[in-house]
Amino acid sequence: DAGITQSPRHKVTETGTPVTLRCHQTENHRYMYWYRQDPGHGLRLIHYSYGVKDTDKGEVSDGYSVSRSKTEDFLLTLESATSSQTSVYFCAISESNFPQYFGPGTRLLVL
Amino acid sequence: AQTVTQSQPEMSVQEAETVTLSCTYDTSESNYYLFWYKQPPSRQMILVIRQEAYKQQNATENRFSVNFQKAAKSFSLKISDSQLGDTAMYFCAFMKHVSTSGTYKYIFGTGTRLKVLA
Repeated sequence: DAGITQSPRHKVTETGTPVTLRCHQTENHRYMYWYRQDPGHGLRLIHYSYGVKDTDKGEVSDGYSVSRSKTEDFLLTLESATSSQTSVYFCAISESNFPQYFGPGTRLLVL
Repeated sequence: AQTVTQSQPEMSVQEAETVTLSCTYDTSESNYYLFWYKQPPSRQMILVIRQEAYKQQNATENRFSVNFQKAAKSFSLKISDSQLGDTAMYFCAFMKHVSTSGTYKYIFGTGTRLKVLA
């Protein structure tokens, strides 16, 4: 299995609070991605990174920001969490044209 | 824009039987990759099989095989000798290289929930 961890694995928070999710890889892959998974929508890309300090928006980036200061870490921040951001969040990594490999997911509940 | 469509939200199959999950996609690209991922109840996303668009031969991984029809933009997954452990959500995914940014773009279908019956 690819060495990808996500923390926390579960989180409950209140509307309006900031939340940061962490993705950590030990594979030294260049590309890292954050997705959210919701029923009926499959996986939707939030942000991705193509190198240290190189990031770009995905299709559902509003309300989210990311940072990548080291190859192995990719942080996803919800600046002010809303109930619509209740979801399961997946981090993925890839290298060149190889498939993506996914972390175990983080279940976030915003009350 | 690329899209990936999985028209079967749910399917079921008897253990040891064969089942085919459908996936169609829309793209104007000539070079791309297609994948099937499996998501069991544990929620872990697991790569099942990969197909390069430039290869005519259909990919096979043990009991899993694909029927890749490039002209029809179809990429179905066949599971032979279905096992109870195959019960999962299956996602079809499309990937292409974005030359302007040097990145890789992935698009996922909405998934097919497969239940294998004992």
